[in-house]
Amino acid sequence: GQQVMQIPQYQHVQEGEDFTTYCNSSTTLSNIQWYKQRPGGHPVFLIQLVKSGEVKKQKRLTFQFGEAKKNSSLHITATQTTDVGTYFCAGQGPGAGSYQLTFGKGTKLSVIP
Amino acid sequence: EAQVTQNPRYLITVTGKKLTVTCSQNMNHEYMSWYRQDPGLGLRQIYYSMNVEVTDKGDVPEGYKVSRKEKRNFPLILESPSPNQTSLYFCASSLQGTYGYTFGSGTRLTVV
Repeated sequence: GQQVMQIPQYQHVQEGEDFTTYCNSSTTLSNIQWYKQRPGGHPVFLIQLVKSGEVKKQKRLTFQFGEAKKNSSLHITATQTTDVGTYFCAGQGPGAGSYQLTFGKGTKLSVIP
Repeated sequence: EAQVTQNPRYLITVTGKKLTVTCSQNMNHEYMSWYRQDPGLGLRQIYYSMNVEVTDKGDVPEGYKVSRKEKRNFPLILESPSPNQTSLYFCASSLQGTYGYTFGSGTRLTVV
C-alpha cells in the first residue's frame, strides 16, 4: 500500500531559526495535505497542494510539492514559540475516487526561546 | 460553529466490554473517517465513509466496526476491545474527501 515517509522525526530549533520538514511518498500522489497538531490537541488542516511543482505560502510558512508529485516540504522562516507542535503531511493516491489519506509520522518541532 | 464532535473525550474500559465512540459533524460533509494515533506510529486510518451507507476499510480496520446511517454521524464500535486498542482516536470529516479534513478533539481510550 501507499507509504508516506516524513523526516526528521524531531527538530529542536532556537527561536528565530528556520525549520524544514520533508515528506516522501512511495507512489505518485493526487494531492498532499499538511496538518499541525499542537501538544494535547488535534490535527488542524493547514493547506493542500495539488499541482506538480506547486509552491504556496502562508505568512512564514512555505509549502512545496515536487515535480513528480511524490515529495513535499514545509519550511518555516524565523520560527516562533507559537510554531511548536507536530507537523504532518498526508497524501492521497492518484486513482479516481481514491479517498484514503495516508499520513506521515510527523515532525515534532520544539522552539527554544 | 462548524465542528466535529466526539464523545467521550476519555474512556477507560475492560477487555471484552463492547463500546461505541460517537462522532457527529455539523458541516454537511460527505466524507468521514476514523484514525488512531499511537506514539511512533503516527495517524493510521481505521475506516472511512464516502456517504450514507458507504464505508470502506482503512489501514488498520481489524477489531473495529463503523456505520453511517445518517450523514452527520459516524460512530466507531469496538465489539470486544482488547488492550492493544488502547490509543487516541480521532474522527474527521471533509466536504469532498479530496480536500482538507476537520478533526474532532479526540477520544483517549484505555482498555485494561
